[in-house]
Amino acid sequence: TQLLEQSPQFLSIQEGENLTVYCNSSSVFSSLQWYRQEPGEGPVLLVTVVTGGEVKKLKRLTFQFGDARKDSSLHITAAQPGDTGLYLCAGPPNAGNNRKLIWGLGTSLAVNP
Amino acid sequence: NAGVMQNPRHLVRRRGQEARLRCSPMKGHSHVYWYRQLPEEGLKFMVYLQKENIIDESGMPKERFSAEFPKEGPSILRIQQVVRGDSAAYFCASSPLGTGSSYEQYFGPGTRLTVT
Repeated sequence: TQLLEQSPQFLSIQEGENLTVYCNSSSVFSSLQWYRQEPGEGPVLLVTVVTGGEVKKLKRLTFQFGDARKDSSLHITAAQPGDTGLYLCAGPPNAGNNRKLIWGLGTSLAVNP
Repeated sequence: NAGVMQNPRHLVRRRGQEARLRCSPMKGHSHVYWYRQLPEEGLKFMVYLQKENIIDESGMPKERFSAEFPKEGPSILRIQQVVRGDSAAYFCASSPLGTGSSYEQYFGPGTRLTVT
């Protein structure tokens, strides 16, 4: 069974700090996606990483896909209150043609002004 | 291009009533997914549908819950004889028919169901 484990589960930091959250698996994924969900809203796709070792930047957010495609990280530089939300990683299953994604449980981030 | 639409945004039902949640996918998307989320928790997969077909309903309770995605019109998640434990946010997502392997999903704003 493919699983995605996210850590930490909760993170509370001050504005301006840097942070990294992780998405790990014992299985290889063909790609991984990161979503952010703000309170009261649906998740929004931030990025998809596809190639082992790939690094993608989205303003102050840096996403990395592990060389072995079993893990990914999200680094936020100089966090702002607007970064507050639930960060979810997800990936397609390796077997079969089912498009149902495998989801981590998320990291809940609070950035305090 | 309009995003995924869900209605109603908020729904209050008394115990024993029926709840019908609607989801209109993004234009051109033929795959719909329903999720349930409790406060401070992650997404729990319920069901995955294509037009007129249920592909995977492994996350759906066997009783009282059903879903459809007809040839015309929105996808419907129906909960019969609601109980207080059904109170949650229900999210719908859609993805396009394509050959890509990422299966990226696009979410609606959710329906918050409260059972009194």
